[in-house]
Amino acid sequence: KQEVTQIPAALSVPEGENLVLNCSFTDSAIYNLQWFRQDPGKGLTSLLLIQSSQREQTSGRLNASLDKSSGRSTLYIAASQPGDSATYLCAVRGRGSTLGRLYFGRGTQLTVWP
Amino acid sequence: SQTIHQWPATLVQPVGSPLSLECTVEGTSNPNLYWYRQAAGRGLQLLFYSVGIGQISSEVPQNLSASRPQDRQFILSSKKLLLSDSGFYLCAWSPDRVGEQFFGPGTRLTVL
Repeated sequence: KQEVTQIPAALSVPEGENLVLNCSFTDSAIYNLQWFRQDPGKGLTSLLLIQSSQREQTSGRLNASLDKSSGRSTLYIAASQPGDSATYLCAVRGRGSTLGRLYFGRGTQLTVWP
Repeated sequence: SQTIHQWPATLVQPVGSPLSLECTVEGTSNPNLYWYRQAAGRGLQLLFYSVGIGQISSEVPQNLSASRPQDRQFILSSKKLLLSDSGFYLCAWSPDRVGEQFFGPGTRLTVL
């Protein structure tokens, strides 16, 4: 069974720092990987989707990389701002019999203070 | 553009009462639809998914059921709520089984 782990569970940094959030998964046979952001009491907002054939995706100050063979993905946030404070979730989509199913990590709770 | 709606936003129900949560998607046709539950300390749990009208797959045996009476409508139900049904319920859609998944605003359910 696919297991997704996110490290660290929580992170608190001053404004302006560059950050790296980590995600690891146990089964490298994935179709793609998706990063989400969740604000308290809200639904999930999709940030980036990386296909298994891709190495990275960028959107604004966010850059996500994928190393499928080692079962790892990182989300890089440049020049962090207080508005980036949220929980960031990583999810991988399985192949074969589990095609379409997303497996989620528990998330990294990020606090950026001014 | 596509939007996804859920209602109600919050709900407080007594143990043993029925439940009906609704999710609708606009701006797309034949979406894949999903129900998740997010409980404190347990992460996101997939409850049901649907690839078409009347086609429901259950991921976890439990006190809940789902139905898809229309192409863009997904309903989560229970005949008798348990305390353990409390949580944050999220509906999501994707254009197909491998596409990007988009989430609704969620329903906070408290069972007393």
